[in-house]
This record gives sequence, C-alpha cells and structure tokens, in this order.
Amino acid sequence: GQNIDQPTEMTATEGAIVQINCTYQTSGFNGLFWYQQHAGEAPTFLSYNVLDGLEEKGRFSSFLSRSKGYSYLLLKELQMKDSASYLCAVRRLTGGGNKLTFGTGTQLKVEL
Amino acid sequence: EAGVAQSPRYKIIEKRQSVAFWCNPISGHATLYWYQQILGQGPKLLIQFQNNGVVDDSQLPKDRFSAERLKGVDSTLKIQPAKLEDSAVYLCASNRGLSSYNSPLHFGNGTRLTVT
Repeated sequence: GQNIDQPTEMTATEGAIVQINCTYQTSGFNGLFWYQQHAGEAPTFLSYNVLDGLEEKGRFSSFLSRSKGYSYLLLKELQMKDSASYLCAVRRLTGGGNKLTFGTGTQLKVEL
Repeated sequence: EAGVAQSPRYKIIEKRQSVAFWCNPISGHATLYWYQQILGQGPKLLIQFQNNGVVDDSQLPKDRFSAERLKGVDSTLKIQPAKLEDSAVYLCASNRGLSSYNSPLHFGNGTRLTVT
C-alpha cells in the first residue's frame, strides 16, 4: 500500500517564504513530484526529486529525504498568484511499471 | 507543442444515465492516464495505458466504468450507469512512457461531471 500526508491548508503573507511538507510511506519508491493546481484548472508540473537533496527552480525549491520518507516544497517571495493547491505525488515501481499516486493536496492562501 | 485535449468541458446527467469522455494526448506520448478528482481531494488513478494496452486498472470500478485506447492514441472513458458519487472532475494525462526517467505528467483541463 501507499500513504501520502500533506497539511490540508496553509496561509502565508505576500513576499514571505512558505514550506509545504509531504511525508510518504511506500515500497518501490521511484521519485516524487510536486504539482500546482489552481481552482478549476488542471495540475501543472513544478518539480521532481528522485535523489536526496534540494532541487532549486527559481522561486520554487523541493527537497527530498528518502530515508525519512519526507519532502518539502519551498516557495519564496510569495505572490498572490501562488494561491493554489499544491499536490505531492509519489511514483513507485510496480510489476506493471511506474505508478504515480497523489496526496490530497495543500491549499495555500497568500494574503496581503 | 499542443497540450492534452479533453471534451466535453462540463457534463450534467441524471443518475443511472451513461456518459462518455474523450481525450487526445500530446503527440508521441505513449502513456495515457485517466484520473478522478473529487472536490477537495487529490487525483485518483482510474486506469493507465501504455500504447493500447492496459498497465493498471486496479482502481477502476469495472462494473460501471470502462475505458479504451484502441489505436494507442486517443482514449474514451465511459460510465454506465452513473451514480451520484461519480460527480467529480475527470482528468486525462499523458507522458512519454513508463521508462522515461523524470517525464512529468501533462494534464488536460478535465471534464467536470455532475450527477443529479
């Protein structure tokens, strides 16, 4: 089986930094993805980690610790448009190939 | 490149009726996925195709849901008969293939289904 946990909601201030955590339990771990989803829209890809450490991409960074089953998404210099749901998704290798499972998402609200 | 195309965008039906959704993935993408996203939850995989073969349909309610990808390109998902709990957004996604190291999923805009 697989278990992915994220906080349901977070609130942060424009210009600040926010960290969204994701913990997971899975067998056959083969990578972790972060997606952003604005209300009424499709998820869009943000970042990918398969090895331990930090991946930086502009204002967004993602960290992975495989031994702890833990990842976080770091958003810097928050903007109002960053208000969205952030989905953590874990990929695992099964007999049928790679399978991607999503967490329930963290709803981020950016306030003035 | 053109994105994943889905239609219709919205659909309202009564329970026990049938409905079909269509998806055309990004050109050249071998793997196609159908996800169900209930309001306030993350997407849940219903079925995964590699070309025209089914890789995973373990969470597809096969008594009422069916999907096909006959020529390995576009795909249809059908629900017959629909239940109230099927109200959700149905997302189609594609990527280059199972062996692609970090190929992310590209999602279509989804079909919002309301069952009354």
